[in-house]
Amino acid sequence: RKEVEQDPGPFNVPEGATVAFNCTYSNSASQSFFWYRQDCRKEPKLLMSVYSSGNEDGRFTAQLNRASQYISLLIRDSKLSDSATYLCVVNMDAGGTSYGKLTFGQGTILTVHP
Amino acid sequence: NAGVMQNPRHLVRRRGQEARLRCSPMKGHSHVYWYRQLPEEGLKFMVYLQKENIIDESGMPKERFSAEFPKEGPSILRIQQVVRGDSAAYFCASSPPLGGEQYFGPGTRLTVT
Repeated sequence: RKEVEQDPGPFNVPEGATVAFNCTYSNSASQSFFWYRQDCRKEPKLLMSVYSSGNEDGRFTAQLNRASQYISLLIRDSKLSDSATYLCVVNMDAGGTSYGKLTFGQGTILTVHP
Repeated sequence: NAGVMQNPRHLVRRRGQEARLRCSPMKGHSHVYWYRQLPEEGLKFMVYLQKENIIDESGMPKERFSAEFPKEGPSILRIQQVVRGDSAAYFCASSPPLGGEQYFGPGTRLTVT
């Protein structure tokens, strides 16, 4: 089983659509969770951290379910500029610190079309 | 406030040569991480360093690869006797002294011919 597993997609949606991505992780001791986006051949950029209480940043909402070891990202009112690969990322540092190595999912490809 | 800087952005080496990749963390960041992204694959952790210390090198290949983060100057990822399979994008990230989110540099794309 992969340490961080995502549906690779691709997801093709029209502008204005709502799209949801899911991710599962294998290590129940994981402490920190993130969503990054990566545009073609560029560096990953932090989209948002994910907290147990859930968090929202504009059109983006992230949720964490520790019992199910499941993370989600919801994008509302999709824009053309949202087209990218979305990476589910987990810090599996068992010490519970917020730094340490990140484990990346394979990424979910999103294409938003006019 | 400059972000994470990496150079060179593109590096071409012949098989058997050495590759040196450099990374300067964001101002105020003292933790540096190196990740590798092979073609059509996800990012994989290689090594985590603080100034003058390697904290975790569990993702580094056992041979030919080494990393350092000296007291002065950038972090260096060194690959000796490169082979075609080393062709990849190498990303560096940094985080603040008390931990937190990691921010990535633009990467170095290594091509081994």
